[in-house]
Amino acid sequence: QSALTQPASVSGSPGQSITISCTGTSSDVGTYNLVSWYQQHPGKAPKLMIYEVSKRPSGVSNRFSGSKSGNTASLTISGLQAEDEADYYCCSYAGSSTFWVFGGGTKVTVL
Amino acid sequence: QITLKESGPTLVKPTQTLTLTCTFSGFSLRTSGVGVGWIRQPPGKALEWLALIYWDDDKRYSPFLKSRLSIITDTSKTQVVLTMTNMDPVDTATYYCVHIIVATNYFDYWGQGTLVTVSS
Repeated sequence: QSALTQPASVSGSPGQSITISCTGTSSDVGTYNLVSWYQQHPGKAPKLMIYEVSKRPSGVSNRFSGSKSGNTASLTISGLQAEDEADYYCCSYAGSSTFWVFGGGTKVTVL
Repeated sequence: QITLKESGPTLVKPTQTLTLTCTFSGFSLRTSGVGVGWIRQPPGKALEWLALIYWDDDKRYSPFLKSRLSIITDTSKTQVVLTMTNMDPVDTATYYCVHIIVATNYFDYWGQGTLVTVSS
């Protein structure tokens, strides 16, 4: 069982917006603005999409955005495209004992 | 351009020790703030952070696996080696090598991963 809770699947039609939640605790998501999100296509390595809750690395589409409220972080994909179909994982720093924890992953399906 | 590549056995027997090597380029582990770590992913399952070593040889381990893990660099600091003792079939996973900068707390570059199967 993963430390962070994500929905198993989220789907949307092309052009729509979807949001993936990532629920942790006051020991990780709730305390640190150090949530990152990774996209993983089948058979490929994960790719960093969002860091420090809402920042985008160079080259990542601005259709991807992140936010946080309390113990829950969220990833929103706007203008959904076929290429966005993938698994998405959240990750949070969890202090100097546990260090990093991941969510269980969310499969995004473009209908 | 930063690249990382994992190497090691594809099959290990239960109770054996796994040794994986991460060979990287495009950055130096002698540079202040740089770190290299390992993350694994069992087939069809979630990612799990395992261990990390920083430029100053400071090391971090998952508290859940700490007793079984060891992470070191070679003398030239061009490779990072992870060892995991007492392997079990549940350790079957793709093991990824990752790059991190201290205080950023995110993994910005990943290797392609190497699948390790634990079976007799």
